[in-house]
Amino acid sequence: NAGVTQTPKFQVLKTGQSMTLQCAQDMNHEYMSWYRQDPGMGLRLIHYSVGAGITDQGEVPNGYNVSRSTTEDFPLRLLSAAPSQTSVYFCASRKLAGGPRGNEQFFGPGTRLTVL
Amino acid sequence: ILNVEQSPQSLHVQEGDSTNFTCSFPSSNFYALHWYRWETAKSPEALFVMTLNGDEKKKGRISATLNTKEGYSYLYIKGSQPEDSATYLCAFGGATNKLIFGTGTLLAVQP
Repeated sequence: NAGVTQTPKFQVLKTGQSMTLQCAQDMNHEYMSWYRQDPGMGLRLIHYSVGAGITDQGEVPNGYNVSRSTTEDFPLRLLSAAPSQTSVYFCASRKLAGGPRGNEQFFGPGTRLTVL
Repeated sequence: ILNVEQSPQSLHVQEGDSTNFTCSFPSSNFYALHWYRWETAKSPEALFVMTLNGDEKKKGRISATLNTKEGYSYLYIKGSQPEDSATYLCAFGGATNKLIFGTGTLLAVQP
C-alpha cells in the first residue's frame, strides 16, 4: 500500500492564483481530512469528509474548497491564494468502521505552499 | 470551539531522564484521545488511540493514561533517548467525526 499520497510536495503561487492540492489514499478509508500547520498553531482542521459525496468544514475553512467524488481522492482547492495561506498542508485518512474516533489517523507527507 | 491544550510547550531533558507531558481536553462528548509522534520533516505517526476512561497503553518505553471524567491524558517516556526527540501531539475526538489537535509538546533529548 502507498498509504496517503500528496502532490505536489512544494508549490509557489502568486497572490490571486488558484490551485488544487491533491490527496489520495489506497486503504479504503472512509474518513479523509485536510490540516494546515503553522508555527505555534499546531495542526488546524480545514475540511473533512466521511465518505464520497459528503464534506464538512473544520476550524479554518475560509478560502478553501473540497470535494469527494471517490473514496480514494480528496482534493483541496485554493480559490484565490493569499499570503496568509502560506503553510504546510497535510492530508490524512482513517477508517470509520468500528468507531470513527477510535481508529488511528494516517498522514500524507505534506505540501509546502508559499504564496507571494 | 473545542479547546485541546498541551503542556509544557517544550521540554529539554538529558538522555536517561524520564519525562511526561499533559493533554487537556473537553470532558463532555468524549469519544477518543489520540497521541501522535511527529519528527522534524516527517509526517505525524500514531502512538496510541484511547477510548475508555482509565485506559492505559504502552509501546516500549512510552506509555499513556486517560482520564475522561476530568479531561486529561498523560504521556510518559521512561529513560529518554536522543531518538525520542520529536513533537508529541494529542488529538481529541468528540461528538463529531473531527479530530482536533493540540499545539504539541516539543521534546529535545540531549546525549
